[in-house]
Amino acid sequence: NAGVMQNPRHLVRRRGQEARLRCSPMKGHSHVYWYRQLPEEGLKFMVYLQKENIIDESGMPKERFSAEFPKEGPSILRIQQVVRGDSAAYFCASTRGNTEAFFGQGTRLTVV
Amino acid sequence: QQQVKQSPQSLIVQKGGISIINCAYENTAFDYFPWYQQFPGKGPALLIAIRPDVSEKKEGRFTISFNKSAKQFSLHIMDSQPGDSATYFCAASKDGTASKLTFGTGTRLQVTL
Repeated sequence: NAGVMQNPRHLVRRRGQEARLRCSPMKGHSHVYWYRQLPEEGLKFMVYLQKENIIDESGMPKERFSAEFPKEGPSILRIQQVVRGDSAAYFCASTRGNTEAFFGQGTRLTVV
Repeated sequence: QQQVKQSPQSLIVQKGGISIINCAYENTAFDYFPWYQQFPGKGPALLIAIRPDVSEKKEGRFTISFNKSAKQFSLHIMDSQPGDSATYFCAASKDGTASKLTFGTGTRLQVTL
């Protein structure tokens, strides 16, 4: 029973490029959450999605960031025109809706 | 606005000792309080969680103490082992679920021999 799968594990982008982070939830889980972790800090909620719907995006920056969870395939967190301040670890978690949240191993984004 | 405050930032405990990490929250709507353990390069993993209808929950060497009136909860690790060396995060959420967690800033625990 595979856990939450995130890829890539490490991503290096130059300033101005686009970053695409993928998350496949655990089997049977239809709720996906994205969190961002800056160095030496706790995780900060970004967005909550169910299949084909954004439920809560209150933690998403207003510009350059978007997320989707299509009917088929993984959830995608997209960051356009990346800046150095976007460098962080991005974690995805999945639940069945009212149970324990399982986290992936994260994608470490470095903007150079 | 930090809704969950965690202390200490770092902690060194000798093997066999008790590790204690504290958290305080502000939002009285929170009703689910998990603790996560994170090793370097890994994602957080759920250790133990509590809901406010109980004051204590124990699982193996890990115990959560919860004080609703003080809006505080703490993690106790009994008989701490070097393998427990990791960063620990408290968190809180509403609606009794694990959705939209608000995390503390983390405590880096080092257990020495």
